[in-house]
Amino acid sequence: TQLLEQSPQFLSIQEGENLTVYCNSSSVFSSLQWYRQEPGEGPVLLVTVVTGGEVKKLKRLTFQFGDARKDSSLHITAAQPGDTGLYLCAGARSGNTPLVFGKGTRLSVI
Amino acid sequence: SQTIHQWPATLVQPVGSPLSLECTVEGTSNPNLYWYRQAAGRGLQLLFYSVGIGQISSEVPQNLSASRPQDRQFILSSKKLLLSDSGFYLCAWSVGGNSYEQYFGPGTRLTVT
Repeated sequence: TQLLEQSPQFLSIQEGENLTVYCNSSSVFSSLQWYRQEPGEGPVLLVTVVTGGEVKKLKRLTFQFGDARKDSSLHITAAQPGDTGLYLCAGARSGNTPLVFGKGTRLSVI
Repeated sequence: SQTIHQWPATLVQPVGSPLSLECTVEGTSNPNLYWYRQAAGRGLQLLFYSVGIGQISSEVPQNLSASRPQDRQFILSSKKLLLSDSGFYLCAWSVGGNSYEQYFGPGTRLTVT
């Protein structure tokens, strides 16, 4: 059973378009993180959200944590080719247990 | 600042050969350490994690093993590689006692032939 479901799995859009990717679960997480990974490299942490309903912005990226802390979304405004990559969400269940990772959304901006 | 190193960057090994991948972290003490495998650019599969020297938790039973001989050193090993062991291996660390944020190394691309 996949605890974190990411959708869509693949997304190909034109430069300048907006997009939203989702990370959903039936479980409650104490915090949720988003990572971006480029081919042949390790994932890089983008943001951590810890409070239900929290919204964080990182330039053109907007991250939201659901009120019930079971889901999150990542919205990219005016996508650029540099946004291309694999976006992974990860949830923390308790203080010292490993993160639970989703399978990722592969974004291609052309 | 903290830095995480992995080597080698790429490795091609025949089936049945041994494996040793090394990961070291600089600039922090008593980190939590993790080994992941990633297939075909998809999600991460947690293989092992460690909260201290000599303390290893295994998430997936297979022919791999891990050891932590020093505080900031994590080693992934196998006595006999299988074709299915091919993949991208990632080491990560987090602040000890808090697994909220993990920081990943550059990865090792392993091809078993």
